[in-house]
Amino acid sequence: GEDVEQSLFLSVREGDSSVINCTYTDSSSTYLYWYKQEPGAGLQLLTYIFSNMDMKQDQRLTVLLNKKDKHLSLRIADTQTGDSAIYFCAERRYQAGTALIFGKGTTLSVSS
Amino acid sequence: DADVTQTPRNRITKTGKRIMLECSQTKGHDRMYWYRQDPGLGLRLIYYSFDVKDINKGEISDGYSVSRQAQAKFSLSLESAIPNQTALYFCATGDSGADTQYFGPGTRLTVL
Repeated sequence: GEDVEQSLFLSVREGDSSVINCTYTDSSSTYLYWYKQEPGAGLQLLTYIFSNMDMKQDQRLTVLLNKKDKHLSLRIADTQTGDSAIYFCAERRYQAGTALIFGKGTTLSVSS
Repeated sequence: DADVTQTPRNRITKTGKRIMLECSQTKGHDRMYWYRQDPGLGLRLIYYSFDVKDINKGEISDGYSVSRQAQAKFSLSLESAIPNQTALYFCATGDSGADTQYFGPGTRLTVL
């Protein structure tokens, strides 16, 4: 399909790990991104990964990329209530120039 | 001060009115973008600009126009607003490397 796919909701308990999954569409996409949107706010870039990498770690965040399956995941270790937000996966699709194609977002709810 | 600012933050208008949304950035990026966000649909690209003399249509440009007045300013106009243009509008800037995009806080537009 043409869409970047994400599950809509994820609910975890504080202290657990969260894993948000994304399936993208274009195997030639050079960069893949994770953005976070808190209520009433704009999108904040969390991290990105270049397509020649399999994994990228940044403090509590771990990004895994499976190019064969066009699958991207974001793992948040020791999830906190402040991590509650909408998380968007995006790909830089070459055919679209330099536009980012976003998924519909995954709402992460963290309960204490 | 915020790197990407949008004005107004909220606007209510009537069908048929002309509306301009403004975006300014202090990041020094050449690339600027306008997206709209609708519930359950993620972000969709309206227009983008790689420099002052470059304007490109995005996925959903019909009913919109843009003006790149300077490197730091990119405005979005609705020539004759209609109710289905009610949405949250985001401006973003991007660097030319990984094209990480930095978003403004958004403008919530309601067309009655």
